[in-house]
Amino acid sequence: QQQVKQSPQSLIVQKGGISIINCAYENTAFDYFPWYQQFPGKGPALLIAIRPDVSEKKEGRFTISFNKSAKQFSLHIMDSQPGDSATYFCAAATDSWGKFQFGAGTQVVVTP
Amino acid sequence: DGGITQSPKYLFRKEGQNVTLSCEQNLNHDAMYWYRQDPGQGLRLIYYSQIVNDFQKGDIAEGYSVSREKKESFPLTVTSAQKNPTAFYLCASSIDSGDEQFFGPGTRLTVL
Repeated sequence: QQQVKQSPQSLIVQKGGISIINCAYENTAFDYFPWYQQFPGKGPALLIAIRPDVSEKKEGRFTISFNKSAKQFSLHIMDSQPGDSATYFCAAATDSWGKFQFGAGTQVVVTP
Repeated sequence: DGGITQSPKYLFRKEGQNVTLSCEQNLNHDAMYWYRQDPGQGLRLIYYSQIVNDFQKGDIAEGYSVSREKKESFPLTVTSAQKNPTAFYLCASSIDSGDEQFFGPGTRLTVL
């Protein structure tokens, strides 16, 4: 069973537009929510992460919004650029558990 | 230059053969992980190790084996018992379990 559900599976956005990817989780013990970016043939790299004591975190053009009561979090990519074209994975983990649960991934294509 | 290295980048195997994938890190991380990535399925955890000489099965451990004799090394053996081994294999490490995971560049295994 997938403990972290990610949507959409893919999305196409025009340059300068906003990309939004959503994730939902079930286990209330999760306390660390990272987003990873992966380019074809490469390993994923951490993009941004949030803990449940804050509702939003922004780093440059990337923002995580976190809704603890709804058990949902999302990634917003503002002013999307062709170089942002990649697959994005959300994940959830607990310090005590040690294992990350990854979403299925979202392939983002930014058109010129 | 700190990081995680995986070798080889591409690996071909005949059916019925065991093959070992290498993963080395010089980040002085305690925890190491092996994931399998298939198209559209995200990252699935095979094995993880929180400390030297100790490791636990992940979600899809059948047909795989690991060892953790040294802190910097976590090799993965894909045995002939793994029925569908063709995939992209990713190794990761973290300072401690539940912390940010750093990924290697991956090994693409193809069974001929």
